[in-house]
Amino acid sequence: DADVTQTPRNRITKTGKRIMLECSQTKGHDRMYWYRQDPGLGLRLIYYSFDVKDINKGEISDGYSVSRQAQAKFSLSLESAIPNQTALYFCATGGLAGGRNTGELFFGEGSRLTVL
Amino acid sequence: QKEVEQDPGPLSVPEGAIVSLNCTYSNSAFQYFMWYRQYSRKGPELLMYTYSSGNKEDGRFTAQVDKSSKYISLFIRDSQPSDSATYLCAIAAGSEKLVFGKGTKLTVNP
Repeated sequence: DADVTQTPRNRITKTGKRIMLECSQTKGHDRMYWYRQDPGLGLRLIYYSFDVKDINKGEISDGYSVSRQAQAKFSLSLESAIPNQTALYFCATGGLAGGRNTGELFFGEGSRLTVL
Repeated sequence: QKEVEQDPGPLSVPEGAIVSLNCTYSNSAFQYFMWYRQYSRKGPELLMYTYSSGNKEDGRFTAQVDKSSKYISLFIRDSQPSDSATYLCAIAAGSEKLVFGKGTKLTVNP
């Protein structure tokens, strides 16, 4: 099984619908992240969480919200989806390595969202 | 100026060629330097990681960091078709979050 699991892998929805993307991890990491990837724009950080009680906005958080339900679970919600939120979304985890947090991230396989 | 700049390519080379991928950055506080590889329809995965200036070698891959010039490179020797992927540089000042380059798409032709 994958260390970082995202569901759904693909989703097509309509403008105005509420969408939730879910992420779970078995790596035991404390830090979890949501990124979106668009052609020509690279990976952009939406939200990140350092533990269950800590949520931080990234560079493009408008239109998104998150919930850290447990150390291993971090979900991303689009309250009212719009077409320019069509993108590939990645969940990632990170944590201590050899006693030091190097910033290395482990990514899921991605969730492709299309908003019509 | 963006924190990390990376030429998106695309880059197409024949099998066996030496490939050079590069990024520049603006913040001198950056101290962790990474290269991720992303195959089509997959998530990025860590390929190389360096903490200081100089070279780090792993098989056919060499990561190079020049902090004085704020320039990092990834060299691939004897490139193979299986190296065809998008390569992203990623840089961090501390343990909070990475800043990614936009990625360079590489195709190695048999």
